[in-house]
Amino acid sequence: DADVTQTPRNRITKTGKRIMLECSQTKGHDRMYWYRQDPGLGLRLIYYSFDVKDINKGEISDGYSVSRQAQAKFSLSLESAIPNQTALYFCATAPGTGGRYEQYFGPGTRLTVT
Amino acid sequence: SQKIEQNSEALNIQEGKTATLTCNYTNYSPAYLQWYRQDPGRGPVFLLLIRENEKEKRKERLKVTFDTTLKQSLFHITASQPADSATYLCALDTPDGGATNKLIFGTGTLLAVQP
Repeated sequence: DADVTQTPRNRITKTGKRIMLECSQTKGHDRMYWYRQDPGLGLRLIYYSFDVKDINKGEISDGYSVSRQAQAKFSLSLESAIPNQTALYFCATAPGTGGRYEQYFGPGTRLTVT
Repeated sequence: SQKIEQNSEALNIQEGKTATLTCNYTNYSPAYLQWYRQDPGRGPVFLLLIRENEKEKRKERLKVTFDTTLKQSLFHITASQPADSATYLCALDTPDGGATNKLIFGTGTLLAVQP
């Protein structure tokens, strides 16, 4: 079984709808991250969490919110989806903070907002 | 702010040759630099990490170099195979230090190994 799972894998939604992307991990890591990937822009950090009580904004948090329900679960919500949020979304985990630790990525969620 | 530059053009090479991918950065030198592989529609997979005081790191057919004077890392795949075809991302840690230290990613370079 995969160490980092994301649901759904694909989602098409309409402008204005609320949508939640979920991430679960079995690696036992405290650090969890949400990124979005757009062609030509690379991976950009949306939110990150170092434990259940710690949530931090990343580079592009506007229009998004997160919830860390447990050490193993980190959800990303789009309160009112808009077309420019169409992207590939990745969840990642790490055993520690910063560049000395590798990140483990989920398989991604392809989100299309029409 | 830090800017990471990876060649946006695909690198096409013949099987058996050495592939060399470049990662340049423009501002501070990171304490750590990482390389990831990403296949289409899948999440990035960690390959190698190199520290600022290391010149070179090897893992099987992979080699990474880190030149803080040139502000550049080179990623080499020797004896390349068609299965090595993928996008390769470099990532640098931010200078925040401590608990807020994060990774920032380049846009990646697509490698295509022709049989």
